[in-house]
Amino acid sequence: DGGITQSPKYLFRKEGQNVTLSCEQNLNHDAMYWYRQDPGQGLRLIYYSQIVNDFQKGDIAEGYSVSREKKESFPLTVTSAQKNPTAFYLCASRSGVDYGYTFGSGTRLTVV
Amino acid sequence: GQQLNQSPQSMFIQEGEDVSMNCTSSSIFNTWLWYKQDPGEGPVLLIALYKAGELTSNGRLTAQFGITRKDSFLNISASIPSDVGIYFCAGHKFSSNTGKLIFGQGTTLQVKP
Repeated sequence: DGGITQSPKYLFRKEGQNVTLSCEQNLNHDAMYWYRQDPGQGLRLIYYSQIVNDFQKGDIAEGYSVSREKKESFPLTVTSAQKNPTAFYLCASRSGVDYGYTFGSGTRLTVV
Repeated sequence: GQQLNQSPQSMFIQEGEDVSMNCTSSSIFNTWLWYKQDPGEGPVLLIALYKAGELTSNGRLTAQFGITRKDSFLNISASIPSDVGIYFCAGHKFSSNTGKLIFGQGTTLQVKP
């Protein structure tokens, strides 16, 4: 079945370490997105990519980096420059047919 | 970034009651979407709306695309315990060419059996 997979589900890291969250989709979608979710704050856009080898900053890109070397993959790196990285991270993808996103099941990152 | 005004922020209701929530924007949208998020999971698309005035149902859920293109509402009839979760509205601005959605803050629904 087609879908979007995020791994791992839970991730613990020490403060000051970089960490990479995986997002893979087999839906043949062109566009992919990364969101951060904090309690009571809804979804905030970190980065998005509309095509391979191209990506743009979202509303809260500082302290994060991405790459889009393959259509299926859009990994997110949370760097040590991100001041408050503990959050729930959601990856999504979209076909070019309509505007509905398909979301992954999320990665909960805890930095201690 | 811009966010939609979604209300109410939270609801605590009795099983069997109907629920209504809405989203408003200052911009004109060409698509409205409603998602549900279960605890610890990603949002799942419930209903998509593409035309002003459109009224669409999905089981006990009914959503409408406002005639002004600046609002949408979602109704849930005869709520059940599994309706618990966070409901998000999302819209795509008519003037946008990026495909980015704008999300509401979410409505947290709790249902008392």
